[in-house]
Amino acid sequence: LAKTTQPISMDSYEGQEVNITCSHNNIATNDYITWYQQFPSQGPRFIIQGYKTKVTNEVASLFIPADRKSSTLSLPRVSLSDTAVYYCLVGDMRGNTGGFKTIFGAGTRLFVKA
Amino acid sequence: DVKVTQSSRYLVKRTGEKVFLECVQDMDHENMFWYRQDPGLGLRLIYFSYDVKMKEKGDIPEGYSVSREKKERFSLILESASTNQTSMYLCASTPHRDGGNTIYFGEGSWLTVV
Repeated sequence: LAKTTQPISMDSYEGQEVNITCSHNNIATNDYITWYQQFPSQGPRFIIQGYKTKVTNEVASLFIPADRKSSTLSLPRVSLSDTAVYYCLVGDMRGNTGGFKTIFGAGTRLFVKA
Repeated sequence: DVKVTQSSRYLVKRTGEKVFLECVQDMDHENMFWYRQDPGLGLRLIYFSYDVKMKEKGDIPEGYSVSREKKERFSLILESASTNQTSMYLCASTPHRDGGNTIYFGEGSWLTVV
């Protein structure tokens, strides 16, 4: 399973775009890249997932270069409520018989200031 | 929406007590997980189950056991609680499916062992 590396923390101001980069040098062919958001005292929740190039949804964009050894989560125009921990997860997420494990790193603590 | 429900949000138990943490999911997912989350350590996998009555150890199974008698329910058991098991416990589920699956988390159970 691919290990991920993210910055420990980031600060931003309301209205700015925030980009959080995750390194995953050992990503395998079948691996997807998934980002989760976690608020204090809550479980992580899914933000976005991609395999290659760019994915966009109503919350964020995910940029994945051709070599897939890194990915960047982009949050447009952040607000105070985006203050949270963001986790990058890499794996094939397949639930074949025998199960699978996932690896969560320490995540990136984003603090949005007024 | 998928719902993963953890029966207890906050528990206080005494050292040596047997503790049961219950988790139920309503989406017929095959895979279920128990993590613990501690400051600075991120999420660490305790046990997972890919089918009824099946279980596999995660990264930190010592001091824990699990039970999966029904597909929708996955229980974490602390046979004899100790103070170093004070933590937030997260249950999660995901289906058997190739490709990019999403992990669905419960809201967490805060356990304090005194």
